[in-house]
Amino acid sequence: DVKVTQSSRYLVKRTGEKVFLECVQDMDHENMFWYRQDPGLGLRLIYFSYDVKMKEKGDIPEGYSVSREKKERFSLILESASTNQTSMYLCASSLPGQAYGYTFGSGTRLTVV
Amino acid sequence: GESVGLHLPTLSVQEGDNSIINCAYSNSASDYFIWYKQESGKGPQFIIDIRSNMDKRQGQRVTVLLNKTVKHLSLQIAATQPGDSAVYFCAERNAGNMLTFGGGTRLMVKP
Repeated sequence: DVKVTQSSRYLVKRTGEKVFLECVQDMDHENMFWYRQDPGLGLRLIYFSYDVKMKEKGDIPEGYSVSREKKERFSLILESASTNQTSMYLCASSLPGQAYGYTFGSGTRLTVV
Repeated sequence: GESVGLHLPTLSVQEGDNSIINCAYSNSASDYFIWYKQESGKGPQFIIDIRSNMDKRQGQRVTVLLNKTVKHLSLQIAATQPGDSAVYFCAERNAGNMLTFGGGTRLMVKP
């Protein structure tokens, strides 16, 4: 069964910490995405990547960075966590040109205290 | 329907009734639309899609209607079941093949 795996379901971090959220897909997808999900605001795109070592800013990149050293792994980094980054984070992957083919992970619920 | 605030709209229906979930999309140039279902503790899952050259598409117990004139999308679920309880999102494909998601509607099915 193909899937996108996010390493942590729940995380609690302190303000100012550097936080790494990991995402791995086993479908050989070129495209990978990081979204955050907040009630009533839907999914907002933070960063995406079309290939290894490539990254593009999404709609809300401030306070975040990403790393794509291998095709199957896309990491989201919170350089200095703040309380307004408390959210659900969703990773997704897809093949090029296949908007219908987004496969999502189960999400990481991050709380910054 | 769609939310512009911080609270998720909720639709509560009786088991066996039909459900209609609405979505207003933003870009008249969007050419492709998807409905996703997100159950508690899981990521969104694809339900059904529709291209902009269609106004209706049916799946198993689900129908999507597209009204391009008013930029409105709806998802109809026939004979709603407890397993349909979830948050439902619409998404539109914009330039560059990226998806933009709506705020979501929570569907609660009463037994």
